[in-house]
Amino acid sequence: DQQVKQNSPSLSVQEGRISILNCDYTNSMFDYFLWYKKYPAEGPTFLISISSIKDKNEDGRFTVFLNKSAKHLSLHIVPSQPGDSAVYFCAASVNNAGNMLTFGGGTRLMVKP
Amino acid sequence: GAGVSQSPSNKVTEKGKDVELRCDPISGHTALYWYRQSLGQGLEFLIYFQGNSAPDKSGLPSDRFSAERTGGSVSTLTIQRTQQEDSAVYLCASSLARGLGGYTFGSGTRLTVV
Repeated sequence: DQQVKQNSPSLSVQEGRISILNCDYTNSMFDYFLWYKKYPAEGPTFLISISSIKDKNEDGRFTVFLNKSAKHLSLHIVPSQPGDSAVYFCAASVNNAGNMLTFGGGTRLMVKP
Repeated sequence: GAGVSQSPSNKVTEKGKDVELRCDPISGHTALYWYRQSLGQGLEFLIYFQGNSAPDKSGLPSDRFSAERTGGSVSTLTIQRTQQEDSAVYLCASSLARGLGGYTFGSGTRLTVV
């Protein structure tokens, strides 16, 4: 049973346009959500997070939106750059569960120059 | 150390052999995790160590897989009698027990079973 799902395995976007990566979850106990970015031959690196008490968190070109009623979060990248091309994983945790993260399957973003 | 260190970075082994993968977490991080990423797949949880507590082994795919963490620091993931389906990138991560910044991952060990 996949508790965190990223239904789009890949996404292609033109440089300068917006990239929107989506993530759905089923466990209503999740209250902390993160996005990780992974380049080939490297480990995932933390990108941005959001607590369930918020519905939006912004950091430069990256914004994460959380819709608790729909159990849905999304990552917006504006404007997209070729260097953003990577695999993006969303992850979720229950704060009291010792930081155990459950990851989605990832979405490969390709930003074309 | 400054980051999570994994060794070896690449390992090619023959089917049926045993392999050991090593992870050095960030100093002071009490939580340590092993994940793997098979070709075209997401991050699959394997095992989780938290301080001196009994590890959460619920993600280990078979009894050929085992892991230990000595002295609350270095961890070794052992795969016995490797099979071709074990081929994957094995990722280790560590975190503070109550931090909210998520995990810090190592670069992984790419295991190829031939």
